[in-house]
Amino acid sequence: GNSVTQMEGPVTLSEEAFLTINCTYTATGYPSLFWYVQYPGEGLQLLLKATKADDKGSNKGFEATYRKETTSFHLEKGSVQVSDSAVYFCALSEGDSNYQLIWGAGTKLIIKP
Amino acid sequence: DVKVTQSSRYLVKRTGEKVFLECVQDMDHENMFWYRQDPGLGLRLIYFSYDVKMKEKGDIPEGYSVSREKKERFSLILESASTNQTSMYLCASSPGEGVKLFFGSGTQLSVL
Repeated sequence: GNSVTQMEGPVTLSEEAFLTINCTYTATGYPSLFWYVQYPGEGLQLLLKATKADDKGSNKGFEATYRKETTSFHLEKGSVQVSDSAVYFCALSEGDSNYQLIWGAGTKLIIKP
Repeated sequence: DVKVTQSSRYLVKRTGEKVFLECVQDMDHENMFWYRQDPGLGLRLIYFSYDVKMKEKGDIPEGYSVSREKKERFSLILESASTNQTSMYLCASSPGEGVKLFFGSGTQLSVL
């Protein structure tokens, strides 16, 4: 079946460091891929998405490229801030359906000043 | 902004109690969802609803039921709470398929 695997956390970085959070998936068909972020005490919110191979999603300085050949959707940011401390979730859905999103376990990111 | 409101941030209940978790959204969204979030397991879908009085089982419906009598409100019911239902419960809504989910801030339920 479909699945999403994320790197285990927590990931601890200093401010202005480069960030990569790995996400790989297994899926039949052609899924859409998402990154959601959960700030402390808040609900999850969509950070970025990509709907087909080679698409790049970007938002708030974060980027992720849909790589079908490596079945990956790694999240990157060039220079992190303390305010980026949160839990990041990778997810996939088959086609346009959001009824059955498949979620990764989440990666907690801690940014130290 | 879309607002999804969950009635309680923290809840403590005893084994065997009937528990109601309430969720209200203010944007006339068609779809509503209940997830549970456990460390190392990500989010798992319990139930979803795509219309008033309509409901579909998700991946882990056992021990839960839901009610959607009005479009804006989606309730999760634990008929007889058990300790393995201690978890963070997240409600979400969306205006249709293929559109992003909007989440509430969650209810941390502890069953003692």
